[in-house]
Amino acid sequence: DIQLTQSPSTLSVSVGDRVTITCRASQRISTWLAWYQQKPGKAPTLLIYKASSLESGVPSRFSGSGYGTEFTLTISSLQPDDFATYYCQQYNTYSYSFGQGTKLEIK
Amino acid sequence: QVQLIESGGGVVQPGRSLRLSCAASGFAFSSYPMYWVRQAPGKGLQWLAIISHDGSNTHHADSVKGRFSISRDNSRNMMYLQMNSLRAEDTAVYYCTTLATSGYWGQGTLVAVSS
Repeated sequence: DIQLTQSPSTLSVSVGDRVTITCRASQRISTWLAWYQQKPGKAPTLLIYKASSLESGVPSRFSGSGYGTEFTLTISSLQPDDFATYYCQQYNTYSYSFGQGTKLEIK
Repeated sequence: QVQLIESGGGVVQPGRSLRLSCAASGFAFSSYPMYWVRQAPGKGLQWLAIISHDGSNTHHADSVKGRFSISRDNSRNMMYLQMNSLRAEDTAVYYCTTLATSGYWGQGTLVAVSS
């Protein structure tokens, strides 16, 4: 099975900061990677698919990049609504594994 | 608008069975592969199972293989998760979703396995 490792697990940030979250895959997955945002008590929402494609309706301050085994989610200027937990998820093989999550906290 | 509505959760004793349902509307359900994902309290997301658009192919995570079974009825726009031999560690919120295909998620249904 493919393992996804996100870093960091927690990030203390301020409004206006540029934020970068990394997701590393244990095997090459081409660009078959998605990013989700989840707020407490809510279902996740899709931000990015195919590593860098922005889901419709998602603000352009979110972007994704990467190929193979290393991927990043970037928030160009953090807004108050962005404090949440972020997950990467691979869909290259029939395991569809998720990363362990990265929680953005207010500094 | 798109809706995925899970139902069937509740409190169940260890070793018993439960069937979750997911009712889909507002999109071409029969064209989409569908997934079940769960989230234990305070934990991350865990993929459980996938079913192809026509129900001809299924795959289950190793952690639930042999105990859980995914199915669908495209004539009713429904998907199911049959869960047998439930354990305390199966306690979680269970979501039906299209994952990265289109990002549709239900609101989740809570399953609590406890004696």
